[in-house]
Amino acid sequence: AQSVSQHNHHVILSEAASLELGCNYSYGGTVNLFWYVQYPGQHLQLLLKYFSGDPLVKGIKGFEAEFIKSKFSFNLRKPSVQWSDTAEYFCAARGSARQLTFGSGTQLTVLP
Amino acid sequence: ETGVTQTPRHLVMGMTNKKSLKCEQHLGHNAMYWYKQSAKKPLELMFVYSLEERVENNSVPSRFSPECPNSSHLFLHLHTLQPEDSALYLCASSQGPGNTEAFFGQGTRLTVV
Repeated sequence: AQSVSQHNHHVILSEAASLELGCNYSYGGTVNLFWYVQYPGQHLQLLLKYFSGDPLVKGIKGFEAEFIKSKFSFNLRKPSVQWSDTAEYFCAARGSARQLTFGSGTQLTVLP
Repeated sequence: ETGVTQTPRHLVMGMTNKKSLKCEQHLGHNAMYWYKQSAKKPLELMFVYSLEERVENNSVPSRFSPECPNSSHLFLHLHTLQPEDSALYLCASSQGPGNTEAFFGQGTRLTVV
């Protein structure tokens, strides 16, 4: 069965620190990958997505993610976080079954 | 505002009640989804509708009953729920299968007492 793993459940950083959140998926074959963010009290929003092509994907608000096929990974990065980045981050994947499967989420807290 | 609207935002119901959650999308999408979001657990896909036909039912108990009368509306009918069903229920829509992302509503926070 397809699955998505996010190993960091809660990450606490100071402003201006660099961020990397891990995401691994368990599919073979073609896969579409996504990172969503959920700010407190708000809906899930798409940060970025990978379908094909350049494995380094740039999203909104300075976030980027790198698809490494050999490692089945799609880690999210940001060089310098801000207090406003405090939110929960979800990695998701869609394989041939077309079902969008989510990881358990990573809560990011950025200290001012 | 995502174009996906869910009502109500909060719902408290007893175990013997019957209630319904409503989702409406104004994006012209033809696929709609119900997800359950519980604390510390991955989002669980419950149901998928594509072109108003149910295409996925991930072993969801029969006390949850979805309905998709048209491509813009999706309901989740609730009957004799258990306290462990308390969660945030999220509706999403997308432009069919394939290389598209899902757009989510703000969810209904359900508490079963």
